[in-house]
Amino acid sequence: GAGVSQSPSNKVTEKGKDVELRCDPISGHTALYWYRQSLGQGLEFLIYFQGNSAPDKSGLPSDRFSAERTGGSVSTLTIQRTQQEDSAVYLCASSTGPLASGGEQYFGPGTRLTVT
Amino acid sequence: DQQVKQNSPSLSVQEGRISILNCDYTNSMFDYFLWYKKYPAEGPTFLISISSIKDKNEDGRFTVFLNKSAKHLSLHIVPSQPGDSAVYFCAALTRDDKIIFGKGTRLHILP
Repeated sequence: GAGVSQSPSNKVTEKGKDVELRCDPISGHTALYWYRQSLGQGLEFLIYFQGNSAPDKSGLPSDRFSAERTGGSVSTLTIQRTQQEDSAVYLCASSTGPLASGGEQYFGPGTRLTVT
Repeated sequence: DQQVKQNSPSLSVQEGRISILNCDYTNSMFDYFLWYKKYPAEGPTFLISISSIKDKNEDGRFTVFLNKSAKHLSLHIVPSQPGDSAVYFCAALTRDDKIIFGKGTRLHILP
C-alpha cells in the first residue's frame, strides 16, 4: 500500500519568503510527526499531532514555524520569512498509535529545503 | 545538550563480521529505545526497539542490548551484509511519545 508521501521533494526559496511543506500520512494513522535533519545533524523533533491536535509543539525552533493538520490526515508545515539556517531535510512520519505501545513509525522521503 | 549520543560518526566493518553500533543517553526517564536505518534520499526505517524492562531484544541478524545502569545501548548486526551499509540512528522515546534521535552512525560494510 501507499506509504507516507511528502511534497515537494525539493524546494529552493529565497531568504525571506514563506514556504509550505506537505505531508500525506498513511491512511488510518492517527499520529503524525515532523522532524528536520540539518547537514551533519541528527533528526530534530519539531511537532507531533495526535489526530488534529498537537499536544507537543515544543520542538518548533521559532514562531516563524507553524503546522496544522486537518481531518486527521494531511499536515502542512509552514515556515514564514525563511532564513538560511532553515535549510534542511524536513521529514514527516506517521504511526498507528503510541510508539511505546507497539505502534510503528513510518517515515516519508522528506522535503529538501534550500534557502538561498 | 544532547540527550542521545552516538559518538562514532562512522564505522567500517568487513562483510560477514559483526557490526556493533553504540549509543549513550543521559535521561534516566527514557524507558523505550529504537533503532532506525536510513539510506540516502530516503526516510528512516524502523529496525528494532527495546523496552527498559528488558536488556536484550533480538530480531534475525539484529540484536539490541540495553544497559540501564550505564545508560548505554548497542545494536549488533551479525553477519554484516553489503545492504547494511547505511546511517543508523539511535532514538529514545519520552513519556509523551516524543522521539529524541542521536546524530547517527554511518556504517560501511567492506567487501
